[in-house]
Amino acid sequence: DIQMTQSPSSVSASVGDTVTITCRASQDISSWLAWYQQKPGKAPKLLIYAASSLQSGVPSRFSGSGSTTDFTLTISSLQPEDLATYYCQQSNSFPLTFGGGTKVEIK
Amino acid sequence: QVQLQESGPGLVKPSETLSLTCTVSGGSIDSYYCNWIRQPAGKGLEWIGRIYSSGSTNYSPSLKSRVTMSVDTSKNQFSLSLRSLTAADTAVYYCARESVGTTTFDKWGQGSLVTVSS
Repeated sequence: DIQMTQSPSSVSASVGDTVTITCRASQDISSWLAWYQQKPGKAPKLLIYAASSLQSGVPSRFSGSGSTTDFTLTISSLQPEDLATYYCQQSNSFPLTFGGGTKVEIK
Repeated sequence: QVQLQESGPGLVKPSETLSLTCTVSGGSIDSYYCNWIRQPAGKGLEWIGRIYSSGSTNYSPSLKSRVTMSVDTSKNQFSLSLRSLTAADTAVYYCARESVGTTTFDKWGQGSLVTVSS
């Protein structure tokens, strides 16, 4: 199985800050990576697919980058509604696997 | 607007079988992968497997021996069966539509909490 490691596990930032979350794959997954946002008590929501493609309807302050094993999700100008846990997911091979999550808190 | 909704019993006894249904509304399930994903309380996401509208499946190796997925296109429904339950299977279970050609999940149900307890 491909292991996905996210860091940090939590981050606290102020409104307007830029937040960066990293995800590392245990082997080369090309650009087969997605990012999800999960708000408390809700189902996850797809933000980014294919490492850097923004899902329709997602605000442009969310962006993704990276390839092979190292990936980044950036939230520019953090907003109060961005309070959530963020997960990466490799879509390269079965079984599909997720990172452990990064909890974003607002100072 | 396509919507997915899980349904099933909230409480199941150890060693018994969990059966969940995902009903899709607002569109046909033809040419459609349905994935099942679970999340224990306070923990991360675990992929269980997926089923295509034709009935072909892919299962996670860690659960393969206990999982069966099926589809009923006449009812626009997908189903998950998980056997020999233990407390470790207690989780919120989600069904999620797979975005075509990407193995990522662009539509999710609201989730169904399943507790395994006697």
